[in-house]
Amino acid sequence: DGGITQSPKYLFRKEGQNVTLSCEQNLNHDAMYWYRQDPGQGLRLIYYSQIVNDFQKGDIAEGYSVSREKKESFPLTVTSAQKNPTAFYLCASSMDRANSPLHFGNGTRLTVT
Amino acid sequence: AQSVTQLDSHVSVSEGTPVLLRCNYSSSYSPSLFWYVQHPNKGLQLLLKYTSAATLVKGINGFEAEFKKSETSFHLTKPSAHMSDAAEYFCVVSERGNSGGSNYKLTFGKGTLLTVNP
Repeated sequence: DGGITQSPKYLFRKEGQNVTLSCEQNLNHDAMYWYRQDPGQGLRLIYYSQIVNDFQKGDIAEGYSVSREKKESFPLTVTSAQKNPTAFYLCASSMDRANSPLHFGNGTRLTVT
Repeated sequence: AQSVTQLDSHVSVSEGTPVLLRCNYSSSYSPSLFWYVQHPNKGLQLLLKYTSAATLVKGINGFEAEFKKSETSFHLTKPSAHMSDAAEYFCVVSERGNSGGSNYKLTFGKGTLLTVNP
């Protein structure tokens, strides 16, 4: 079955450490996205990529980095510069057209102490 | 600039009664509109979408939504709530970004938590 796989589901890190969240899709979608979800705030866009080897900052990119070396993969690194990294992170993909819905992974819950 | 307002952060209904989740939007152009559902610790799942065809859109699990341009609304309804409908629901608007090309900007509402009481 086609879909998006995020791993791990839960991640724990010490403050000051970088951590990378994995996102893989086999839907042959061009566009991929990373969102951060905090209680009562909806989803906020961190980074997005419309094509391999290209990506754009979203609304809250500070303290995060991404790469898009393969169409199927869009890993997100949460760096030590991110002031409040504890959150639920969602990866999504789409055909990058106005009426194309997003397909979401099941998320990674990151806790930094 | 586009925006989405979900008018209720929490809605509570009894099983078997109707559900109404309200969404208002603003958009400079003809938008596409979506409703998503999220169960705890899961990703979002598409319920339905409006893309300038029929104004009454039917989705999965018995949900439907009506696009009303004059009211800039896209409310989600279901005639009879089921316990399994308890989840958080997000209204989303999509329109072409300022840079043109294939860049489409998505804006999410803050979500409405639906509680279904037995």
